[in-house]
Amino acid sequence: EVLLVESGGDLVQPGGSLRLSCAASGFIFGHYDMSWVRQAPGKGLEWVSGICSSGCSPLYADSVKGRFTISRDNSKNTLYLQMNSLRGDDTAVYFCAKHKDPLRYNAGADHWGQGTLVTVSS
Amino acid sequence: EIVLTQSPGTLSLSPGERATLSCRASQSVTSNYLAWYQQKPGQAPRLLIYDASSRATGIPDRFSGSGSGTDFTLTISRLEPEDFAVYYCQQYGSFLFTFGPGTKVGIK
Repeated sequence: EVLLVESGGDLVQPGGSLRLSCAASGFIFGHYDMSWVRQAPGKGLEWVSGICSSGCSPLYADSVKGRFTISRDNSKNTLYLQMNSLRGDDTAVYFCAKHKDPLRYNAGADHWGQGTLVTVSS
Repeated sequence: EIVLTQSPGTLSLSPGERATLSCRASQSVTSNYLAWYQQKPGQAPRLLIYDASSRATGIPDRFSGSGSGTDFTLTISRLEPEDFAVYYCQQYGSFLFTFGPGTKVGIK
């Protein structure tokens, strides 16, 4: 069974930093591209960042480019999101998501974690 | 960035009725790389349709996707009680993925 478990969400002050983790199991993590998607309270889904299976070519939404860094450790089956210079509009539940097909970046996300809440407030 | 627009914003229907949801892209979606997701309160999204018209594993055949280029449709042929939820389209044809704002399907 595919399982994605996010952690690291917390209350942080504006300008602060946070690192989210997503522990993966039930599939060959190193074969699949991954993404982070967030959802502000009561709002819709926003794609944040994606990374290829080997860690190449990280991509970012304009809203987080230059502040967030996606990475992965395939030896630990874990995806990360380093978030710096956090702002109030970064407040959201952050989901990690597995792309559907191996070695294919342009694919829908067929498995999602339960999400971790990041709150940016003073 | 490809902007997705979904209509209507809210759909009020009864169980057993047909639901037709629209997703329009600001430019053509490469290879019709478009997905539909269902999300219920407090839950993660669930993939329903990928590549515009292929049903994901375990998705009932009352869900179908169609369309190409800039205009896409999700159809639920006969609404079941568990289908009342918010539905999002997502394009993944460009390197920067984007989601539509969602359509809420509510009980009439």
